[in-house]
Amino acid sequence: QSALTQPASVSGSPGQSITISCTGTSSDVGGHDYVSWYQEHPGKAPKLMIYDVSHRPSGVSNRFSGSKSGNTASLTISGLQAEDEADYYCSSYASSNTRLFGTGTKVTVL
Amino acid sequence: QVQLVQSGAEVKKPGASVKVSCKASGFSFTNYYMHWVRQAPGQGLEWMGVIDPSGGTTTYAQKLQGRVTMTRDTSTSTVYMELSSLRSDDTALYYCARGYYYNRFDIWGQGTMVTVSA
Repeated sequence: QSALTQPASVSGSPGQSITISCTGTSSDVGGHDYVSWYQEHPGKAPKLMIYDVSHRPSGVSNRFSGSKSGNTASLTISGLQAEDEADYYCSSYASSNTRLFGTGTKVTVL
Repeated sequence: QVQLVQSGAEVKKPGASVKVSCKASGFSFTNYYMHWVRQAPGQGLEWMGVIDPSGGTTTYAQKLQGRVTMTRDTSTSTVYMELSSLRSDDTALYYCARGYYYNRFDIWGQGTMVTVSA
């Protein structure tokens, strides 16, 4: 069970849109619609931002959206703001009731 | 208030075991899976395993099979994660997280730092 693959870093200017990819296999990302995304600020516990590929929990800004195509899921942040600077992790349900996390992506707001 | 409160930091020697607790409050303990996730310094999140508090059924990450044990005490709404044969690369911040449906970790504990050092 290998970690899902994410780009190490993504950057953008305030107001721009960025997209973070999360690539797995047909046994995890591609096989289930149970991909979630987490935002982690330094020294803080991760926060759920997207669940079931594209659903936002109550209280999460609609600037965050998720999608999936084949074995790759994506998180898009539109109207980038300084407060969005953080680490982001995807997660997927995998085989035999296990879960996987992505390698993590550092988002920098220029 | 829905929350998970974990036990305090631990320092252990290589080869020893550590047991971390996670006490749930503000929700029905047996209605939600509880996951354990760890994060080594400067590294990413790693899923360790999950326990169903209602029946005690567990599933562990393959790489930790044989070293990790997750248990629960329904009388105190507490889950435990014990890791044995500790190595230096087990040094990490250990989180418990409430699992909602298949793959939503919607509530997280504050984390417990475990340091393995001779």
